Amino acid sequence: DAGVTQSPTHLIKTRGQQVTLRCSPKSGHDTVSWYQQALGQGPQFIFQYYEEEERQRGNFPDRFSGHQFPNYSSELNVNALLLGDSALYLCASSFTDGYGYTFGSGTRLTVV
Amino acid sequence: GNSVTQMEGPVTLSEEAFLTINCTYTATGYPSLFWYVQYPGEGLQLLLKATKADDKGSNKGFEATYRKETTSFHLEKGSVQVSDSAVYFCALSTLGTRFGAGTRLTVKP
Repeated sequence: DAGVTQSPTHLIKTRGQQVTLRCSPKSGHDTVSWYQQALGQGPQFIFQYYEEEERQRGNFPDRFSGHQFPNYSSELNVNALLLGDSALYLCASSFTDGYGYTFGSGTRLTVV
Repeated sequence: GNSVTQMEGPVTLSEEAFLTINCTYTATGYPSLFWYVQYPGEGLQLLLKATKADDKGSNKGFEATYRKETTSFHLEKGSVQVSDSAVYFCALSTLGTRFGAGTRLTVKP
C-alpha cells in the first residue's frame, strides 16, 4: 500500500518564477494538507483540502494556492517566487481531520 | 489562534534515562493532540495521539496524557535508547494541524 507520494523530490527555481508541486495521498485518505518546513523548524501549515475545497488556511500569502482533484490528489502552486520560499514542502494526508497524518517525504524547493 | 509551545532543545540524555518533553497548547474547542517523530534522514511519522481530555496516547514505550486543566500534552518515556534519537514535534488538530518547533533528542550510549 503506497503511502503519500510527492513529486518532484527536488526543484531549483529562479526568483519570480512559478512552481507546482504534486501530491498523491495514501489510499483511503480524503484530506490533504500542505506544510512548509524551513531547516530546523517545525512544519508551518499552509492549507488543507477536503472534497476539492480549501477548508482551512494558515498565514500564507495569496501567492500560495492549491487544488484538489476528484481522486483526492493535490497540487500546491506558488507564484512570484521569493528567496524566502526556499524550504521543504510537505504533503500530509488523512481520513478526515483529527486522526493523525501520513506524511510524504517532501519536495525540497530552492529559489535562487 | 491555535498554537503549540514545546520545550526548546536540544536535549541530551544517557541511555536508560527518563525523558520528558514538555508541550502546552492554546486552542478553541477541543482539539486532538499528537506527537510526531522525525528520525535522521526520514520523514515525519505519527508517534501517538489523544483525542479527548484525560486520554493517554502510547506507542513504542512513549506516553502522553491530554490534560485539559493545564492545557498540556507532555511526552514521557521511562528508559530511552540510542535509537530514540530524533526530533519530536507536538501538534494539535483543529481543521488543519499546527506543529510546535520541535525538540531534538540525542541519546548517548
